[in-house]
Amino acid sequence: GENVEQHPSTLSVQEGDSAVIKCTYSDSASNYFPWYKQELGKRPQLIIDIRSNVGEKKDQRIAVTLNKTAKHFSLHITETQPEDSAVYFCAASPPAGYALNFGKGTSLLVTP
Amino acid sequence: KAGVTQTPRYLIKTRGQQVTLSCSPISGHRSVSWYQQTPGQGLQFLFEYFSETQRNKGNFPGRFSGRQFSNSRSEMNVSTLELGDSALYLCASSSLAGGPKETQYFGPGTRLLVL
Repeated sequence: GENVEQHPSTLSVQEGDSAVIKCTYSDSASNYFPWYKQELGKRPQLIIDIRSNVGEKKDQRIAVTLNKTAKHFSLHITETQPEDSAVYFCAASPPAGYALNFGKGTSLLVTP
Repeated sequence: KAGVTQTPRYLIKTRGQQVTLSCSPISGHRSVSWYQQTPGQGLQFLFEYFSETQRNKGNFPGRFSGRQFSNSRSEMNVSTLELGDSALYLCASSSLAGGPKETQYFGPGTRLLVL
């Protein structure tokens, strides 16, 4: 089955700096790659997603890049703010149905 | 639209018992997926239902089962509970109208503690 690896497991940055989280996946058939943010005690919420026919997608301070050949994708957060502090999960989904295979998560801490 | 709802929110059971968790998707959503979240293993996919049919299944033992009703509401059942089943169980729904994947929205989860 699909295996998604996520790095780093923890990341601490100063407010205003950029943060980058990287994921690799094993199933070359996967074609949908969402990123979820989970704040303490809350449900995961989608922050951005990318499909396999797109190489990059940006939404304000958040961007995701996908390299299908290397089977890796990354989340980039610019101008980080303390409210960006949370656990971020990457995921990959095969074409058929809706099964998200998640990475283990990255705990991001943004210090003022 | 109301969001994804899950009941109960908290549950305490003892080893060997069974438990049934319920999920009501967003109105109009036909795909419901279940995930187990633990500190050690993160978010793990259990199964996905679409139009009352299980479409995908994760790598969990047969003690974990589920079903979906004609109104898209879904239940999952865990029989013969083990201590390791203690976790937050999340369900998520999506419209999955047949085109590109739409956003999957998560419910608040059911926190299960097995003693």
